[in-house]
Amino acid sequence: NAGVMQNPRHLVRRRGQEARLRCSPMKGHSHVYWYRQLPEEGLKFMVYLQKENIIDESGMPKERFSAEFPKEGPSILRIQQVVRGDSAAYFCASSATGGSSYEQYFGPGTRLTVT
Amino acid sequence: EDKVVQSPLSLVVHEGDTVTLNCSYEVTNFRSLLWYKQEKKAPTFLFMLTSSGIEKKSGRLSSILDKKELSSILNITATQTGDSAIYLCAPGRGGSNYKLTFGKGTLLTVNP
Repeated sequence: NAGVMQNPRHLVRRRGQEARLRCSPMKGHSHVYWYRQLPEEGLKFMVYLQKENIIDESGMPKERFSAEFPKEGPSILRIQQVVRGDSAAYFCASSATGGSSYEQYFGPGTRLTVT
Repeated sequence: EDKVVQSPLSLVVHEGDTVTLNCSYEVTNFRSLLWYKQEKKAPTFLFMLTSSGIEKKSGRLSSILDKKELSSILNITATQTGDSAIYLCAPGRGGSNYKLTFGKGTLLTVNP
């Protein structure tokens, strides 16, 4: 059973470009969470999605950031017009549907560097 | 605003020592508390605690939750160099907006 997959693992973008980060949840998981880890900071929640629905985006910056989890395919975190402050590790996690178990399993992360 | 405080921030021990890591939290609609181990990659799930006073154990690691004190501890006995990592605690909310709030972590270094 493959774990959470993220790609690319490393992404370099110039200021003003767009960054697209992809996340494929674990098999059987339909809940996806995105977190950002800035240098020297803890992981910060950004957004929680289920298939085709954004459930909670309270941690996402209002501008330039968007996320989706389509019916088919991976979840995408999109950052438009990147700035140096967007440089961080972006982690995706997934959890199973229903039940009482909400363990979130993390992917390896995408390290975004904005030059 | 949800708050998570971990202590100590960093800890250096020798192999074979026993360590206790602390986590205190203030979270709206608390449901559970999760512990993760983070080396230079993704956080790895260790434990999920939902009930007070019940110890969860996995090998040399164990953890317990105290809902009255809004805290949890993670114990590691007979530490090994491979235990060197950042240990993160993350209380999670219940309801439809379930999400984890992470502390900054405790950086544990185990020297041979």
